[in-house]
Amino acid sequence: AQTVTQSQPEMSVQEAETVTLSCTYDTSESDYYLFWYKQPPSRQMILVIRQEAYKQQNATENRFSVNFQKAAKSFSLKISDSQLGDAAMYFCAYKKGNAGNMLTFGGGTRLMVKP
Amino acid sequence: KAGVTQTPRYLIKTRGQQVTLSCSPISGHRSVSWYQQTPGQGLQFLFEYFSETQRNKGNFPGRFSGRQFSNSRSEMNVSTLELGDSALYLCASSFRYGNTEAFFGQGTRLTVV
Repeated sequence: AQTVTQSQPEMSVQEAETVTLSCTYDTSESDYYLFWYKQPPSRQMILVIRQEAYKQQNATENRFSVNFQKAAKSFSLKISDSQLGDAAMYFCAYKKGNAGNMLTFGGGTRLMVKP
Repeated sequence: KAGVTQTPRYLIKTRGQQVTLSCSPISGHRSVSWYQQTPGQGLQFLFEYFSETQRNKGNFPGRFSGRQFSNSRSEMNVSTLELGDSALYLCASSFRYGNTEAFFGQGTRLTVV
């Protein structure tokens, strides 16, 4: 079974600084997808960024970028120029390719942003 | 374009009762998945429906069931509620089966007393 591990229960960053959230996963599949979701206090999960395993290039979405290390099964999220609105729970998630939309989530990292 | 709509937002039920939660996916989306979120167990996959058929099922007892209608709206039902069923239930919709992003609703907060 696939597992996703987020080893940092809480992280803190100063506004305008950069922070990196860690995620490791375990799978024997070669076709899969990785995601980072943000869950603010409103509780709605918001997709931040997506990475296809077959793509070597790291995904980037504005201030958010990932460092995808396939051999190491590592998928970290870097947030640049942190803003107060970035404060939330962040979840790393794995999805097997061609097997529906079932997501396996990590335990989450609570990000606090200090003004 | 409206997002994923879950109703009700909050619910309080008594042990032993049953409950039905509803999820309306984004227009045009045909896949609906359900997740349970608790402080102790985190986010756990319940089941996925596509074209009115259950395609995937998580490791939950048979008290948890669901269905999907021809308009892609989905309901999940929990019978014989237990205190441990208190959780945030999240619904996610996707355009098709596989290889697409999942978009989540705001969830239904169920409290069992």
